Amino acid sequence: DAMVIQNPRYQVTQFGKPVTLSCSQTLNHNVMYWYQQKSSQAPKLLFHYYDKDFNNEADTPDNFQSRRPNTSFCFLDIRSPGLGDAAMYLCATDTGTGAYNEQFFGPGTRLTVL
Amino acid sequence: GDSVTQMEGPVTLSEEAFLTINCTYTATGYPSLFWYVQYPGEGLQLLLKATKADDKGSNKGFEATYRKETTSFHLEKGSVQVSDSAVYFCALPISSGSARQLTFGSGTQLTVLP
Repeated sequence: DAMVIQNPRYQVTQFGKPVTLSCSQTLNHNVMYWYQQKSSQAPKLLFHYYDKDFNNEADTPDNFQSRRPNTSFCFLDIRSPGLGDAAMYLCATDTGTGAYNEQFFGPGTRLTVL
Repeated sequence: GDSVTQMEGPVTLSEEAFLTINCTYTATGYPSLFWYVQYPGEGLQLLLKATKADDKGSNKGFEATYRKETTSFHLEKGSVQVSDSAVYFCALPISSGSARQLTFGSGTQLTVLP
């Protein structure tokens, strides 16, 4: 089945130690998104790629970076995680065309910062 | 700007009770509207959608009607089950750079008791 895969499902890191989260998709979608979801809150968009075109949200901290080496993969890099970065990180995709397209979400990576 | 407002939660119901979760939106034009569901520890799944006024989206016994006159997209189910316990998000796509990001309501935690 076509899907969005996130690895790992659970990630533990230490304060200040860089960490990379991975997302891959078999849907061949043009757009890949990264959301941060803190406990009991709605997902908040960090940035997205439309093909190779990177779009950063204005309030996304500089500590968060992303890479998309090809259509299938997208990475979220947190350069120096703080305690406040502990959250669920969700990857999503869509076709990028049309007004009605839904986004397809991965299962998420839960990040713990010690 | 475009936004969605979702009823405050949490909601606790007995099995087979009737469910309504209110969602109202503010938008330019007539965007698609979505309901997503998030089961514990998982990513978001699309529950249903409506792409134009008076459309009714339905899935797994849940329904929502896109009402232009009241700018609403309330989620209903006639008889909830324990397995429906989850967080429900109303969502609206808004233009973001080259793509359309989703803006979410605050989420409603539903707990169904046997």
